[in-house]
Amino acid sequence: DGGITQSPKYLFRKEGQNVTLSCEQNLNHDAMYWYRQDPGQGLRLIYYSQIVNDFQKGDIAEGYSVSREKKESFPLTVTSAQKNPTAFYLCASSIHRDRRDYGYTFGSGTRLTVV
Amino acid sequence: SQQGEEDPQALSIQEGENATMNCSYKTSINNLQWYRQNSGRGLVHLILIRSNEREKHSGRLRVTLDTSKKSSSLLITASRAADTASYFCATSRGSARQLTFGSGTQLTVLP
Repeated sequence: DGGITQSPKYLFRKEGQNVTLSCEQNLNHDAMYWYRQDPGQGLRLIYYSQIVNDFQKGDIAEGYSVSREKKESFPLTVTSAQKNPTAFYLCASSIHRDRRDYGYTFGSGTRLTVV
Repeated sequence: SQQGEEDPQALSIQEGENATMNCSYKTSINNLQWYRQNSGRGLVHLILIRSNEREKHSGRLRVTLDTSKKSSSLLITASRAADTASYFCATSRGSARQLTFGSGTQLTVLP
């Protein structure tokens, strides 16, 4: 079955440490996205990529970095510059960058906690 | 930036009743989408309505869109306990492909 896989499900980060969240899709989708969700709130866009080797900053990109070397993969690194990284991180993909009328497919999320 | 705002923030109903959630947004859109999120899980796409459409149905779901009022509503008919979840509206605007999500409505359906 096709889908998006996020790993790990839970991640603990020490102060000053960089951590990388994995996102892999086998849906052959062109575009991929990273969102952050804080308790009781909606989703805020961190980064997005519409094509391999290209990505754009979202609304809250500071302290985060991404890469898109393969169509299937869009890893997110939470750097030590992100001062409040504790949150639920969601990866999503969509089918075609030239089609506006599509829905997103989401992964099951990674819960990151600073210890 | 939050484009959509859902109302109410929380809704509690009995099984079998209908649930209505509303979404307001600020700027013109290409389409509006509704998603569902079970606690601690990813979001699931429910339905998409284009800016030139006024109403759309999918099973027990009915979505309306009023572009003059910049608002949408999601109606879930004959609700079930399994419908308990958070529901989010999301808007697609301009030439951008990314969605902007609202803050969500927490629906609780009591058995």
